[in-house]
Amino acid sequence: NAGVMQNPRHLVRRRGQEARLRCSPMKGHSHVYWYRQLPEEGLKFMVYLQKENIIDESGMPKERFSAEFPKEGPSILRIQQVVRGDSAAYFCASSPPTGMGTEAFFGQGTRLTVV
Amino acid sequence: DAKTTQPPSMDCAEGRAANLPCNHSTISGNEYVYWYRQIHSQGPQYIIHGLKNNETNEMASLIITEDRKSSTLILPHATLRDTAVYYCIAPAEGTYKYIFGTGTRLKVLA
Repeated sequence: NAGVMQNPRHLVRRRGQEARLRCSPMKGHSHVYWYRQLPEEGLKFMVYLQKENIIDESGMPKERFSAEFPKEGPSILRIQQVVRGDSAAYFCASSPPTGMGTEAFFGQGTRLTVV
Repeated sequence: DAKTTQPPSMDCAEGRAANLPCNHSTISGNEYVYWYRQIHSQGPQYIIHGLKNNETNEMASLIITEDRKSSTLILPHATLRDTAVYYCIAPAEGTYKYIFGTGTRLKVLA
């Protein structure tokens, strides 16, 4: 059973470009979570999605950031018109449908560098 | 989510047990306690979780006090590869919206 797969592992974008980060959850997992980790800081929750639904986006910046988890395919975190401050590691986690007492697993992250 | 409090750093000699404490005094009856660790800048690695009873797996043991206001993660024989930041998390019931605090930076010394 493959773990949570994120790609690309490293992404370099110029200011103003768009960044697309992909996350394929573990087999059988229908919940996806995105977190951002700025250099030398802890992980911060961004958004929680189930298939075709955004459940909680309380941690998402109001502009330029969006996330989706379509019926088929990976979850996508999209950052439009990137700025230097978006440079960070972005991690996704997935969990099974039943939430009681089961654990979530994290991918190895995408390191975004905005130049 | 219950707020968790952990010491910022700890040292442990290689081969000895590492005991990492966590306070979660506001935890509610059905909120689990989870432990993860992050080695360098890798993705957080799941270690163990529990509700009321003590738990043990191949990585660690989790001791939860009877009143559930605190817990201790025990790495029985710490190795250099256990050097990492360890996070104790108590998410709201039925969610994996983890609130990561600053964790405990464990340094295993040779």
